[in-house]
Amino acid sequence: DAGVIQSPRHEVTEMGQEVTLRCKPISGHDYLFWYRQTMMRGLELLIYFNNNVPIDDSGMPEDRFSAKMPNASFSTLKIQPSEPRDSAVYFCASSSTRNEQFFGPGTRLTVL
Amino acid sequence: KNEVEQSPQNLTAQEGEFITINCSYSVGISALHWLQQHPGGGIVSLFMLSSGKKKHGRLIATINIQEKHSSLHITASHPRDSAVYICAVSADSWGKFQFGAGTQVVVTP
Repeated sequence: DAGVIQSPRHEVTEMGQEVTLRCKPISGHDYLFWYRQTMMRGLELLIYFNNNVPIDDSGMPEDRFSAKMPNASFSTLKIQPSEPRDSAVYFCASSSTRNEQFFGPGTRLTVL
Repeated sequence: KNEVEQSPQNLTAQEGEFITINCSYSVGISALHWLQQHPGGGIVSLFMLSSGKKKHGRLIATINIQEKHSSLHITASHPRDSAVYICAVSADSWGKFQFGAGTQVVVTP
C-alpha cells in the first residue's frame, strides 16, 4: 500500500488566496483526521471523519477553514481566504481502528 | 494546562547512551501512542500501548495506567535516533488524539 497520500507537498500563496489541500487515505480505512502543526502550538486536531461523515470539527480555527470528504478515498481541507497565520504543516492521517493512525507526509503551507 | 505533559523538552545524548522520555496525562485514555518525527519528515507511529510494556528493536515503551504515566526508552542510542518524539493519547471513544508538546532528541557521535 502507498500509505496516506497528500498533495501538494509544499504550497506558497499570497494572503487572501484560496488554498486547497488534498488527502487520499489508506484503502479500507474508515477514519480520516486533519491536523495542523506549528512551532508555537505543536500538533492540533482540526477535524475528523468516520465513514465520510464529519464527527468533530471543534478544532477548526474559524469559518475560513472547511473540510470535505466526498468519498472514502478523498478528502480536502480548504482555507478561504488564507492569512499569514495559517502558515503551518498540515497532516492528514487515516485509521481502520479507533486507536492506531497512519500519517501522511504533510503539506507545508506558507502564506505571504 | 495541557492534558498531556512530556519531559524533558530537549535532550542531548552521546552515541551509546540510554535515553528516557516521560509522558504524563490527566485524562482517562483508551490508548497511548509514541510517535517519531524526523526533521522535515512525516510522523511515524512507534508504539500503541494500553497496558504493560512493548519492545521494538532498541526502543522500549512502558505504561502505568494507575499512575497515568508512560516512558519511552532508547537503548544504545545512535545519531539516527535524533528526532522529535511525541506522546499522544486517545481519550475518547472515537480515538481522537491529544498530543504532548514533543521531546527533541539529539544524539551526537
